[in-house]
Amino acid sequence: NAGVMQNPRHLVRRRGQEARLRCSPMKGHSHVYWYRQLPEEGLKFMVYLQKENIIDESGMPKERFSAEFPKEGPSILRIQQVVRGDSAAYFCASSPQRTNEKLFFGSGTQLSVL
Amino acid sequence: EDQVTQSPEALRLQEGESSSLNCSYTVSGLRGLFWYRQDPGKGPEFLFTLYSAGEEKEKERLKATLTKKESFLHITAPKPEDSATYLCAVQGGGSEKLVFGKGTKLTVNP
Repeated sequence: NAGVMQNPRHLVRRRGQEARLRCSPMKGHSHVYWYRQLPEEGLKFMVYLQKENIIDESGMPKERFSAEFPKEGPSILRIQQVVRGDSAAYFCASSPQRTNEKLFFGSGTQLSVL
Repeated sequence: EDQVTQSPEALRLQEGESSSLNCSYTVSGLRGLFWYRQDPGKGPEFLFTLYSAGEEKEKERLKATLTKKESFLHITAPKPEDSATYLCAVQGGGSEKLVFGKGTKLTVNP
């Protein structure tokens, strides 16, 4: 019974490149959330998605960031033209229903921008 | 804007020395207050959800309580394996997102 799977665990990009972070939710979960954790900061909400729909993207920067959760395959968080300030741990969480009584988190992707 | 403040930032205990972690919050229409545990290099692991003032939940050496302004995570006779960062989060009315505090880093020495 695999948990939430995120890959890659570590991603190094140079300024201006694109970063693609993948998240496979737990089996049977159709709700996915992305959070970002900066050093010395708490987890910050970015986006909430259901299959093929973005429900709440109020935490997403207006530019360069996008997310999707297609009918088939993992959820993708895409960061275009990365800058050093994008360096952070990005966590994905899933739940079986809209009411997130209990979120299951992946181990995160550590993005480092050189 | 929903806000969560956790104290202390860090806490060192000797094995068996009981203590409490604090989570103060302001939220518009509390739907739930959550406690998570996070180990280094890992994602948060769910511990408890509390919904209304006066509610308490227990799990092994941990007990979470809730008032209208704050929550406490009581740790009774902690062991070294309880060392972790403990995160508090709230969910406000009309929102699906959790607002997290910065966490309390707990170290339990043998």
